[in-house]
Amino acid sequence: EADIYQTPRYLVIGTGKKITLECSQTMGHDKMYWYQQDPGMELHLIHYSYGVNSTEKGDLSSESTVSRIRTEHFPLTLESARPSHTSQYLCASSESELAGLLRTDTQYFGPGTRLTVL
Amino acid sequence: GEDVEQSLFLSVREGDSSVINCTYTDSSSTYLYWYKQEPGAGLQLLTYIFSNMDMKQDQRLTVLLNKKDKHLSLRIADTQTGDSAIYFCAERGAYSGAGSYQLTFGKGTKLSVIP
Repeated sequence: EADIYQTPRYLVIGTGKKITLECSQTMGHDKMYWYQQDPGMELHLIHYSYGVNSTEKGDLSSESTVSRIRTEHFPLTLESARPSHTSQYLCASSESELAGLLRTDTQYFGPGTRLTVL
Repeated sequence: GEDVEQSLFLSVREGDSSVINCTYTDSSSTYLYWYKQEPGAGLQLLTYIFSNMDMKQDQRLTVLLNKKDKHLSLRIADTQTGDSAIYFCAERGAYSGAGSYQLTFGKGTKLSVIP
């Protein structure tokens, strides 16, 4: 069972506000990810991290930024929220797990933050 | 590049079997995953299959893999109303460095179970 948490679960905020979405995991996983999920259900990777002090941009360009100062914590920040940022944001973490002779890299997801920007 | 395709909707009657299909393009994929997402929640890992397997069974779930056709399916036996959710197929794709692989997700299949 995965122990990965996201807060807040729901956030409604006005345009121009700075927001930080929190994600933390207690599994000691090195790798963490942020996905944006649009209303059509498709998931887009926006940021990921290999470990402390590592951050990389994902496939979908995003105006958000992330930081990884501690292994267990991977917050996502929007400096100035806009209505186009309205979406579901999902955080995930993974660790290589031995499955037979190979290692998987199974990702475990948090419950998500539904952000609405008015 | 990698691409994962799923049909968007499936409707079944309670007690019937559900079969959710997925096709992928990366023949080098070693792991394929099924995730379940209930309304307002994150993704829950259901199962995964390694590419040298044809089938994997776990209680009511059966995963079938046809590597030649790059086709993956998830069968849910005796479908219940609690199985209503969105099901995502994902393949482990490109190596992204530092021992890490990215997942490529399909768009999800919304399963509706009719009582």
